[in-house]
Amino acid sequence: SQQGEEDPQALSIQEGENATMNCSYKTSINNLQWYRQNSGRGLVHLILIRSNEREKHSGRLRVTLDTSKKSSSLLITASRAADTASYFCATVPSGSARQLTFGSGTQLTVLP
Amino acid sequence: NAGVTQTPKFQVLKTGQSMTLQCAQDMNHEYMSWYRQDPGMGLRLIHYSVGAGITDQGEVPNGYNVSRSTTEDFPLRLLSAAPSQTSVYFCASSYMRSGGNNEQFFGPGTRLTVL
Repeated sequence: SQQGEEDPQALSIQEGENATMNCSYKTSINNLQWYRQNSGRGLVHLILIRSNEREKHSGRLRVTLDTSKKSSSLLITASRAADTASYFCATVPSGSARQLTFGSGTQLTVLP
Repeated sequence: NAGVTQTPKFQVLKTGQSMTLQCAQDMNHEYMSWYRQDPGMGLRLIHYSVGAGITDQGEVPNGYNVSRSTTEDFPLRLLSAAPSQTSVYFCASSYMRSGGNNEQFFGPGTRLTVL
């Protein structure tokens, strides 16, 4: 069964706007990771946030984690057409060494 | 570094045929795994390995076998293909830092169709 669920399933925005995707999960975690998948390609790791962290930044990406609500959000600022992709959250459950459990993803389309 | 490589890129099988999907990595990663991705869904873990000679089942292991004789290679075998195994298969690898605090590197995928 899938641990994480992303919301929305699909998001369409104009270039330059910000995009926010949310992820909810069910069990306690060691960390939560976000990956990007361009159409027909493999996944690329974007950012990892540990369970004791609340916010993390990487370039135009900002990730927050609320372990009390079992949720995370990914914010992409000043989006570009090249950001068009599917975005997945993945969790490493507590007590599990490294098995990632993926959500079903958000399809982001950035219109030029 | 080539990273994680997978062969073949595409494969069509008939029901009942067997085949092996190849996966190799040149980053000296201890951990390797196989996922399948079905339309509109995230990835589901099939099998994984924490080192040569050690493998274990993931969420959806039925119909698949794996072995890990070297650090570099982690082949996935379909013993008797079924239409339900039509999917895109991804191999991934990573270091084994404590708490699973490590990113996984993914291969480009193998698109398998079983008729």
